[in-house]
Amino acid sequence: EVQLVESGGGLVKPGGSLRLSCAASGFTFNNVWMSWVRQAPGKGLEWVARIKHKSDGETTDYAAPVKGRFTISRDDSKNTLYLQMNSLNTEDTAVYYCSREDSSGYFIWFGCWGQGTLVTVSS
Amino acid sequence: DIQMTQSPPSLSASLGNRVTITCRASQSISSYLNWYQQKPGKAPKLLIYAASSLQSGVPSRFSGSGSGTDFTLTISSLQPEDFATYFCQQSYRTPLTFGGGTKVEIK
Repeated sequence: EVQLVESGGGLVKPGGSLRLSCAASGFTFNNVWMSWVRQAPGKGLEWVARIKHKSDGETTDYAAPVKGRFTISRDDSKNTLYLQMNSLNTEDTAVYYCSREDSSGYFIWFGCWGQGTLVTVSS
Repeated sequence: DIQMTQSPPSLSASLGNRVTITCRASQSISSYLNWYQQKPGKAPKLLIYAASSLQSGVPSRFSGSGSGTDFTLTISSLQPEDFATYFCQQSYRTPLTFGGGTKVEIK
């Protein structure tokens, strides 16, 4: 069974740091691109960051609001995706989902999602 | 950044009704458009990719169409399990962006 399981969320003070993890199973993790997508309470979906697989140089890309503060990484030996979040502010409060990017030719979509982990930034 | 605008933000419909949701991109994105369904407290679920391709396991009452800047998601006959929020998303270029969502409620 294909599964993504996030962990590491919680309550953190403004300016603090947190590292999220996403454990993947049921598919060949090192063959896929992965992303983090977040959703603030009662709001829509916002893409946060992407990391390509090793064959594509593990290239990373970030949304403007998190660039320079968040770092996406992966450990293919552990089938795990990470999101290191620094200098957190209240606007980062959200449920964070990890997602597998599936593709056909140049078409890409979020084909598999984790259950999400809640990050709350508050004093 | 490519902005995605969905309409309407919400709608009320009865069981068996045909429902159409539209999504407009701020520039041409060819067919790089995906649709997701999200129920309260749950992760989004892929319905349609590449504008009109039905994801495996998704009922055939869901369909997608469009290219360029204008896209539609159609539910041909609304079922009880279809009451949810629907999001479009472009994959033409990063930053990947989503529409604001359309909440489908029971009339």
